Amino acid sequence: DAGVIQSPRHEVTEMGQEVTLRCKPISGHDYLFWYRQTMMRGLELLIYFNNNVPIDDSGMPEDRFSAKMPNASFSTLKIQPSEPRDSAVYFCASRPQGVNYYGYTFGSGTRLTVV
Amino acid sequence: AQSVTQPDIHITVSEGASLELRCNYSYGATPYLFWYVQSPGQGLQLLLKYFSGDTLVQGIKGFEAEFKRSQSSFNLRKPSVHWSDAAEYFCAVGARDSSYKLIFGSGTRLLVRP
Repeated sequence: DAGVIQSPRHEVTEMGQEVTLRCKPISGHDYLFWYRQTMMRGLELLIYFNNNVPIDDSGMPEDRFSAKMPNASFSTLKIQPSEPRDSAVYFCASRPQGVNYYGYTFGSGTRLTVV
Repeated sequence: AQSVTQPDIHITVSEGASLELRCNYSYGATPYLFWYVQSPGQGLQLLLKYFSGDTLVQGIKGFEAEFKRSQSSFNLRKPSVHWSDAAEYFCAVGARDSSYKLIFGSGTRLLVRP
């Protein structure tokens, strides 16, 4: 199993541009999570999906952020327009159906820099 | 509401010394408990987890953790630290309900002196 795959690994963009981050979860995992990690705020849950349906997006910071999961093997997190304060590492994680004791499997993250 | 506290932001130990990283949680019942490790530039890797049974759990890389209900703690330990253990360590709490969310602590950065 290739694990959770995120792309790109690094993204540098100018303020105001649209940014799209991509995630491929582990096959058979029904839950997908998007986290943001910064020095100031640590790991923040942005949104999570169950069977491709968004369940809780209360962590999405503002309307500039949107996430989709068109099928079981692909999800995107989009920021439009991007701002310097969006600079962070964005992680995707997945887990199988069932109770929480499975924990999550994380991808390697996308380091976003907005200049 | 669930919460996780890791009181130590940084810890420095000498290679070969023992290690204990602290984690305290707040939850109305016994949660699922996890420790993750994050090496520089990498994602989080699961070290170990507790959900029931023996309160001392063994994980990968020689780590163990002990669940103490009376202290609401789940401290991570290793008897002899290796230089490759330098990383950031996160404790996490998972609810035993349908929310399926993990709440992470703020992390402890481990530095290893040669």
